[in-house]
Amino acid sequence: EPEVTQTPSHQVTQMGQEVILRCVPISNHLYFYWYRQILGQKVEFLVSFYNNEISEKSEIFDDQFSVERPDGSNFTLKIRSTKLEDSAMYFCASSKNGGAAEQFFGPGTRLTVL
Amino acid sequence: KNEVEQSPQNLTAQEGEFITINCSYSVGISALHWLQQHPGGGIVSLFMLSSGKKKHGRLIATINIQEKHSSLHITASHPRDSAVYICAFITGNTPLVFGKGTRLSVIA
Repeated sequence: EPEVTQTPSHQVTQMGQEVILRCVPISNHLYFYWYRQILGQKVEFLVSFYNNEISEKSEIFDDQFSVERPDGSNFTLKIRSTKLEDSAMYFCASSKNGGAAEQFFGPGTRLTVL
Repeated sequence: KNEVEQSPQNLTAQEGEFITINCSYSVGISALHWLQQHPGGGIVSLFMLSSGKKKHGRLIATINIQEKHSSLHITASHPRDSAVYICAFITGNTPLVFGKGTRLSVIA
């Protein structure tokens, strides 16, 4: 069964460093999402991406964040200069259709900023 | 503000018990998702529904659009059902809004 994959599973970085989190969505899906979950809190939407551009972003997704689909398979989230408060679990998701369509989640990347 | 409330926050059950987790929301929605988050953190989509009832194995999800309420039921619960169950809704083309989750522990 096709699934969303994410790498790495755990990333440890120093404050101020750049990190890139990678996702491979399901191959025939067209809509891609990033979410984050700070430890003990609920999952929060970061950004949605369709047709090679951001379709929506939350207040969390400031200038420090960017997304890219560098080739036909990868979808990346870059944090330019990490802060302690960026420590969280980051989930990628994809769906075949947008709107209310079912989303399929990756296993997550746990980011720890020291 | 779009809100989703889940109850209970924590639930401990004996193996074999019938379990109900509730979700209430404050706005008209396009669809509601039930998600399962494993202890390791991964999220699995269980159901997406916009009306009525869906069943998959021992899991049943229902939604009442008029009352803005959904329930997730687990029949014949098993320790492997132990996880956090999350309700999330979407309205039109807005992003998913997540509840805080219900932590379920099923004891053998």
